[in-house]
Parts: sequence; structure tokens; C-alpha cells
Amino acid sequence: GENVEQHPSTLSVQEGDSAVIKCTYSDSASNYFPWYKQELGKRPQLIIDIRSNVGEKKDQRIAVTLNKTAKHFSLHITETQPEDSAVYFCAGGTGGGADGLTFGKGTHLIIQP
Amino acid sequence: EAQVTQNPRYLITVTGKKLTVTCSQNMNHEYMSWYRQDPGLGLRQIYYSMNVEVTDKGDVPEGYKVSRKEKRNFPLILESPSPNQTSLYFCASRVGLAVYNEQFFGPGTRLTVL
Repeated sequence: GENVEQHPSTLSVQEGDSAVIKCTYSDSASNYFPWYKQELGKRPQLIIDIRSNVGEKKDQRIAVTLNKTAKHFSLHITETQPEDSAVYFCAGGTGGGADGLTFGKGTHLIIQP
Repeated sequence: EAQVTQNPRYLITVTGKKLTVTCSQNMNHEYMSWYRQDPGLGLRQIYYSMNVEVTDKGDVPEGYKVSRKEKRNFPLILESPSPNQTSLYFCASRVGLAVYNEQFFGPGTRLTVL
């Protein structure tokens, strides 16, 4: 089955700087890669996703890039703000499949004032 | 309001005492699943269901049961809870079967087994 590795486990950045979280996956059949944000005590919520037919997707200050050849994808957050502090999870799955997503172990992003 | 609800939100119990965590969604979603979240391990799928009376094991099904008698409900049953089942549990649902469709999570149930 799919295995998703996520790094780093903790990331501390100064407010206003950029943050990058990286994930690798093992199953070349995976073609859908969402990112979820989980604030303290809250449920995970989808913030951005990418399908394997595109290499990059942006939504305001967040972007996701995908390298199918190397089987890795990354989340980029620019101009970080205090409200970006949360745990971020990457995930991989096979579009059209009825299986669930395989999640990475999560990255705790800390925004230092 | 479209939502996934779980009850109870917090539960402390003792080893061996059967319990059920309920999950309900009002979005007419076909696909529902249960995850557990443990520190340093991320979210791991326990069971999923593609529709009424159709359920299947996820990655960590041992010690759990589920049922899907109605489309909106997907209860998680722990017949004989053990301390290693102490965790934060999330129910989730999505429309259709394709993993492309956004998955909506419930608020979570924090379970402690003594």
C-alpha cells in the first residue's frame, strides 16, 4: 500500500517568512495529494490539493508543487501570519479509488512573532 | 448547515466496557470512514464504508467494529476497549467514492481507556 513520509515534524519560522513542508510517497499509482490544516483542538480541514496532471497550484499565500518523477510534493506558505500556526498533514490517494487517503505524520508549524 | 457530527466528544471508560461512538452526516454522502489520530503517527484509517451495508477494513481495524445500516450514520464500536485504544477519533465523509472529492471531518472524540 501507499506510504507517505512528511518532513519536518516541527517547523518554526519568523512571522512574515516563508514555510515549506515536504512529503514523499511510494505508490506511483497515487494521483491525488491534498493538504489538511488542523488548528489546536479542531478538526482537520482541506486547504489545498493537487492532482498529478498539474505541477503546481496556488491559492493566495499557499501553493503546492508536485514532482511525479521523484514522487514528492511540497506545501509552500508565503508571508506567514500567526493564524498559520497549526499542524499540517499531507496525504496521497488514487483518484477514483474507494480507498481512503494515506496521511503523513504531520508537521507542527510554529509562527514566531 | 452541512456537517458531520460525533458523540460523545469526550469519553473516559475502563478496560473491557463496550462503547459506541456515533457519527452522523447530513450531506447524503456515500463514503464514510473512521480515523484515529495519535501523536507522531498522524491520521490512520480504521474502517470505511462505500454505502449502506458495505464496509471494509482500513489500516488499523483490530479491536474495532462498524456498521452502516443507514446512509447518514456510521457508528464505531469498541467491544472490549483496551488502553492502547486511547486516542482521538475522527469520523469523515465525502460525496461519491472518488478520493478526489473533499473529505469532511467530524469534530473528533477524545477517548481515554483506563
